[in-house]
Amino acid sequence: EDQVTQSPEALRLQEGESSSLNCSYTVSGLRGLFWYRQDPGKGPEFLFTLYSAGEEKEKERLKATLTKKESFLHITAPKPEDSATYLCAVQAGSNNRKLIWGLGTSLAVNP
Amino acid sequence: ETGVTQTPRHLVMGMTNKKSLKCEQHLGHNAMYWYKQSAKKPLELMFVYNFKEQTENNSVPSRFSPECPNSSHLFLHLHTLQPEDSALYLCASSPGLANNEQFFGPGTRLTVL
Repeated sequence: EDQVTQSPEALRLQEGESSSLNCSYTVSGLRGLFWYRQDPGKGPEFLFTLYSAGEEKEKERLKATLTKKESFLHITAPKPEDSATYLCAVQAGSNNRKLIWGLGTSLAVNP
Repeated sequence: ETGVTQTPRHLVMGMTNKKSLKCEQHLGHNAMYWYKQSAKKPLELMFVYNFKEQTENNSVPSRFSPECPNSSHLFLHLHTLQPEDSALYLCASSPGLANNEQFFGPGTRLTVL
């Protein structure tokens, strides 16, 4: 069964304290892995798409990487405005019409 | 307007009411989606439309009825809902089914009394 698991469930960091969020997946034929950011009461905001193992993408303090089993979202020197829930989703070859979503990691960055 | 817009942003309805949610995308995309988001659950895909044709109905109860008159507009008609249907309803669009980078609207917070 296709599955996406995100860890940790919640993470609290001090401003400037770098860390990583994990998204592990078991799918048949990965077509793409997506990272989103969601602020309370709002819709998810698209961040990155990764397609193949070894691929990396960066945006400001965020860097996403992909292996054959998992993806990491590295946050370097986070700021309070990075506080949000980060969602991971995968598109599998078994059904490319839908994304399989994780539960997300709730990140809080204290000033 | 830019991106994906949804109206209303908040909706409170009784179990016997009929209401509709509206979504409009200004991105020139061909695929549109309805999702339900509840606490402690992953996003639940409800319906998918591609070039205004429904391609996915994820076993959604018939009290939810989607309508897609064109590639830019998507509606979700609601009737005789249950309290457990209370959730954030999100609309999204993507360039197509093969390119699944989905862009979301702000959502409609629905409360069923």
